[in-house]
Amino acid sequence: EDQVTQSPEALRLQEGESSSLNCSYTVSGLRGLFWYRQDPGKGPEFLFTLYSAGEEKEKERLKATLTKKESFLHITAPKPEDSATYLCAVGDTGRRALTFGSGTRLQVQP
Amino acid sequence: GAVVSQHPSWVICKSGTSVKIECRSLDFQATTMFWYRQFPKQSLMLMATSNEGSKATYEQGVEKDKFLINHASLTLSTLTVTSAHPEDSSFYICSASPGTGGANGYTFGSGTRLTVV
Repeated sequence: EDQVTQSPEALRLQEGESSSLNCSYTVSGLRGLFWYRQDPGKGPEFLFTLYSAGEEKEKERLKATLTKKESFLHITAPKPEDSATYLCAVGDTGRRALTFGSGTRLQVQP
Repeated sequence: GAVVSQHPSWVICKSGTSVKIECRSLDFQATTMFWYRQFPKQSLMLMATSNEGSKATYEQGVEKDKFLINHASLTLSTLTVTSAHPEDSSFYICSASPGTGGANGYTFGSGTRLTVV
């Protein structure tokens, strides 16, 4: 059974204070590792897909990396508008639906 | 980019009544759509996989007679919560992908907040 564990559960940062979010996973056959951002009362918004260990992707202040067991979402010099819940999910080659982690609630204070 | 529209965004209904939630892919065809449920401060839990022209596949523990799914066209899937009760109150989200969920991931609807009173 696929499993996704995210840590920390919640994170409070000062504006400009860089940090990383962790996503540990177990999957029988990795089709992709997905990162989403979710604002309160909204559906998840797609950020990145990573396919293989060593892959990295960047978008503005966000950078996602992948190893065989975990993924990190690095946030560089965050701003208050980066406050949201960040969800990690895995796609299994034997299953079309994604399996989600419980998310990290990020709050960036000005 | 791929857009998924979900309607309504919120609904309040009386206990015992039924509620229908629509999920539309606006600019692509989706043979498969997914329905999730999310409780406050918790993650998305897959309820069922909706397949165009055939029966939905439900996850273990999800009552198929209570959560009716219809995927009658390549752009529309509906979830009907039948005989709703307060414990059905939750945030329901659908998703779909124009391909196999690869490079662009899966696009999610904006969600429906259901409150049963």
